[in-house]
Amino acid sequence: QSALTQPRSVSGSPGQSVTISCTGTSSDVGGYNYVSWYQQHPGKAPKLMIYDVSKRPSGVPDRFSGSKSGNTASLTISGLQAEDEADYYCCSYAGSYTGYVFGTGTKVTVL
Amino acid sequence: EVQLVQSGAEVKKPGESLKISCKGSGYSFTSYWIGWVRQMPGKGLEWMGIIYPGDSDTRYSPSFQGQVTISADKSISTAYLQWSSLKASDTAMYYCARRGNYGGRGPDYWGQGTLVTVSS
Repeated sequence: QSALTQPRSVSGSPGQSVTISCTGTSSDVGGYNYVSWYQQHPGKAPKLMIYDVSKRPSGVPDRFSGSKSGNTASLTISGLQAEDEADYYCCSYAGSYTGYVFGTGTKVTVL
Repeated sequence: EVQLVQSGAEVKKPGESLKISCKGSGYSFTSYWIGWVRQMPGKGLEWMGIIYPGDSDTRYSPSFQGQVTISADKSISTAYLQWSSLKASDTAMYYCARRGNYGGRGPDYWGQGTLVTVSS
């Protein structure tokens, strides 16, 4: 099972919006509405930001939103803030045999 | 409050065995799958496998099948990841994570990670 494809890096100025794509196949992203997104600061454990494609856990700012079209999911961060600078990973369910597959990761830089 | 607390960092030699742990609290441990995720130095997240502590049903990612063993002791709300013979390439941070409780929902809560260093 290959990792989902994400851009290596994206950047934006404070207040701007950035979008991270996550491209898979019909066996993972395109086949299930179980895409989640994680934020990871250096030296820290991943934190859930979006689940089930577009749902936000309690406590996650509404600046974070998720969507999906076909085999590609996306995470948008609106009103970028300094504390959003981190690595972001998508994750998709890929069936009971494979389990889950993660994306390659994207470094978000706030300029 | 849901918490997953992992055992401390380990330094081992190639060929040695190792078992690391992940203790869950603040929720019904037997009702949620617990997964393990590897992160090699400077690299991304990799799904290793998952266990349902209620009945010990275990599934492995094809990439990790035969390389590690996942187990759980529901009497003490603890999941384990073990190696019988470590290799230098097993050097990584290992996270446990609770899977969401609906369908194929992904991990929601994560442990703090256990750093495993394998070096001669």
